[in-house]
Amino acid sequence: SQTIHQWPATLVQPVGSPLSLECTVEGTSNPNLYWYRQAAGRGLQLLFYSVGIGQISSEVPQNLSASRPQDRQFILSSKKLLLSDSGFYLCASARDSNTGELFFGEGSRLTVL
Amino acid sequence: DQQVKQNSPSLSVQEGRISILNCDYTNSMFDYFLWYKKYPAEGPTFLISISSIKDKNEDGRFTVFLNKSAKHLSLHIVPSQPGDSAVYFCGGGSQGNLIFGKGTKLSVKP
Repeated sequence: SQTIHQWPATLVQPVGSPLSLECTVEGTSNPNLYWYRQAAGRGLQLLFYSVGIGQISSEVPQNLSASRPQDRQFILSSKKLLLSDSGFYLCASARDSNTGELFFGEGSRLTVL
Repeated sequence: DQQVKQNSPSLSVQEGRISILNCDYTNSMFDYFLWYKKYPAEGPTFLISISSIKDKNEDGRFTVFLNKSAKHLSLHIVPSQPGDSAVYFCGGGSQGNLIFGKGTKLSVKP
């Protein structure tokens, strides 16, 4: 079965600082990968998804970006964080594209001060 | 525009009784629907899914019902247990993507 590693688990950053969250997937090849954010009152919001190396689709316009430099690596970045970027970020990998089932990582808690 | 809506932010149920979590959607192109359970500071875990061509799927204490004409689905948990206390997310999607609602926090009281 798949295993998803996310780091760092917790991050406190000042407004205007850069961000890099990393996600790696084991136990599968060529997975569809996703970044979700859970913020207060907003549920699980899909931010980005990727169907392959270098292929990124953005669901929500914002100051975040994503990259997929390797098949099983997905990175979420920002050049300048905003207060509104605070939240719980989750990386996910598709288990079955026909059923939509996803495996989620343990998440990264970002607090922007 | 919210494609998936969970209008009840919270639900409290007595242990042993039935928990019914509701979800509405607007996108008639969804091919599948899923329910996830989430504890604080953890990633969501998959509970149960249903294809858009089905109207019911059952797995142990969990049953999901789909009413396509009403664009409504529900998750039934019976009997409810204190360990079921968590936030439940309803999701709908197609072609590998999944859009979630805002979640419903279920509290099961002993």
